[in-house]
Order: sequence, then structure tokens, then C-alpha cells
Amino acid sequence: QSLLTQPPSVSGAPGQRVTISCTGSTSNIGAGYDVHWYQQFPGTAPKLLIYGNTNRPSGVPDRFSGSKSATSASLAITGLQAEDEANYYCQSHDRSLGASVFGGGTKVTVL
Amino acid sequence: QVQLVQSGAEVRKPGASVKLSCEASGYTFNDFFMHWLRQAPGQGLEWMGIINPSGGGTSYAQGFRGRVIMTRDTATRTLYLELDSLKFEDTAVYYCARGVELYYFDHWGQGTLLTVSS
Repeated sequence: QSLLTQPPSVSGAPGQRVTISCTGSTSNIGAGYDVHWYQQFPGTAPKLLIYGNTNRPSGVPDRFSGSKSATSASLAITGLQAEDEANYYCQSHDRSLGASVFGGGTKVTVL
Repeated sequence: QVQLVQSGAEVRKPGASVKLSCEASGYTFNDFFMHWLRQAPGQGLEWMGIINPSGGGTSYAQGFRGRVIMTRDTATRTLYLELDSLKFEDTAVYYCARGVELYYFDHWGQGTLLTVSS
């Protein structure tokens, strides 16, 4: 059971906007810890997509954006493309565990 | 460029131990804490622990304490993960990753598949 809750799947047509939620608690996101997002294709290592809630590493397209509010965060993909079909994970720090924690992952399907 | 190159796939029997490696290059080795994570087949990511390459200090996730040891060799810029008393449920891909601030992981190794099977 992940401490951060994500929907198992989201889908959208090419060009549409999709959002992935990440819900935590007062022990992690609500305690002020940043949220980070990773993109993972089958059989490959995760890739950093968003760090510090809203920041994109160099090379990440600006159609990916992140936000955070209270005990939750969101990843938005605007102008969805076929190449965005992947699994997405949110991550934060949990004060009670003293550990990094992840969401269970969301599979994005491009219709 | 930053590279983390991990050792090859391993197969072990239940109760055995395994030692995985991760060779780092392309940056100042002592400047970044390093992490080990794992991903069971079809499952999400699980953080296992952290090592400070500079002094060797470690901190392990609660579920792995007493069964995991993380070490490093600064001369070869290599990190090691040793996991003991292996169980079937330890079957997973194990990743090393470079940590930034508190903490996100900006570079990842390619992963090492560990299969625990009788």
C-alpha cells in the first residue's frame, strides 16, 4: 500500500490534456516536502520529469507541468502525444518514516 | 555526462545473499548521496536506502534493516548493495540512483534483475 495515492490509469486522445493526481498526507506532502515526478517506459529505468513540484530538467518538453497544493500534487500533460504513453510516478519524503516514498504509478494511454 | 552502470542479472536461491554493484562516472563522486531502489515485476518503486560516498554513512528503509548493507569504494567509484536472507519476494529490478537535495533522483542506473528461485 503506497503512502502516496495515484489513479492506476488515465487516458486521452492526441492533443488533449490529462492530469495525474498524487494524494499524500500531513506526514509527507502536507508537511511541506517537495513532490517529484518520473516517467518510465516498460523495461527501462525511470527518468526524472519534474522536480521541486514545478521544475522541469533540461530536455523535458514544456507540455509537462507540475503543481502542488496542501496534501496533494498533480502532473499535467498538455498536447498529449503518442510518445507520452508510459507509467508515471510521484515521489516525496515522509517525515514519520524518514524515507522517500512513491505513488503506486499511473499508466497513461494515448487513445 | 553522468553515467551509472550496474552489474548484470543474478539468480539466487531463497536464503542466499547477493551483492550488486553500480559504477559511477561523469561527476565528482563524493558530491552526491547515492540511493538504492527496487521495483518488483509489475509493481511500483520502493526506496531501500542511502549512502554518503564521502564518509560511507548509511541509512536504510525500515523494511530492510538487518538484511541490507550498502558500501562504496571511492577508488573505483563503485557502490555496492548486499542483500541477505533472500526471499522469493525479493525478486525485482534493483536500481542505483543519484540523489539531489532532499531527495529526488536525477540519474539512474540501467537496473539489475535479481531473481530468487528454488
